[in-house]
Amino acid sequence: ETGVTQTPRHLVMGMTNKKSLKCEQHLGHNAMYWYKQSAKKPLELMFVYNFKEQTENNSVPSRFSPECPNSSHLFLHLHTLQPEDSALYLCASSLNLAGDFPYNEQFFGPGTRLTVL
Amino acid sequence: GQNIDQPTEMTATEGAIVQINCTYQTSGFNGLFWYQQHAGEAPTFLSYNVLDGLEEKGRFSSFLSRSKGYSYLLLKELQMKDSASYLCAVRDLNDYKLSFGAGTTVTVRA
Repeated sequence: ETGVTQTPRHLVMGMTNKKSLKCEQHLGHNAMYWYKQSAKKPLELMFVYNFKEQTENNSVPSRFSPECPNSSHLFLHLHTLQPEDSALYLCASSLNLAGDFPYNEQFFGPGTRLTVL
Repeated sequence: GQNIDQPTEMTATEGAIVQINCTYQTSGFNGLFWYQQHAGEAPTFLSYNVLDGLEEKGRFSSFLSRSKGYSYLLLKELQMKDSASYLCAVRDLNDYKLSFGAGTTVTVRA
């Protein structure tokens, strides 16, 4: 257990569906992240939130819409996805954004395995 | 940005030693992380290097040479449970972002 939970763990959706991924962290962290992990590829940073404010949108298509109602919760709303969006979506959190602390490592959730038909 | 390179796969025998290399090219460096990820699970933090040299944590050690843009993760006394993907990640000096390698899948055989 890393202190970061994600639901659902698996999701199959059609291209016309609307669904949401949820992430919750119980670590008291202030920064939260969404990553996309495709097979044999590096993790791709999608969005970053710091104290509920979005600080990064890494050129992500608008069919992915993040929401951060508070520092403990992060959502990723999905609509009209494409088959190439099938991947593992990982949420992470860290104490802060900046490297003021020696490590400030990111803690990851187990991910949501998304399949778009 | 960063360009992170690590081998795709490695296989080793239980009880042996395996060294996973990671090379990077960076416009600014502020630390290198190693994560372990078992299939279907979250990546978990293993080690962090920001200064040159070796950091040892039990059976796992990580080395960094900033001048060479090079790191390795050394796994000693391999156990079956060490079969996993190992991710190398570099933090940019100018911001907080991590750039990840594609991961090295280590398979430990009896």
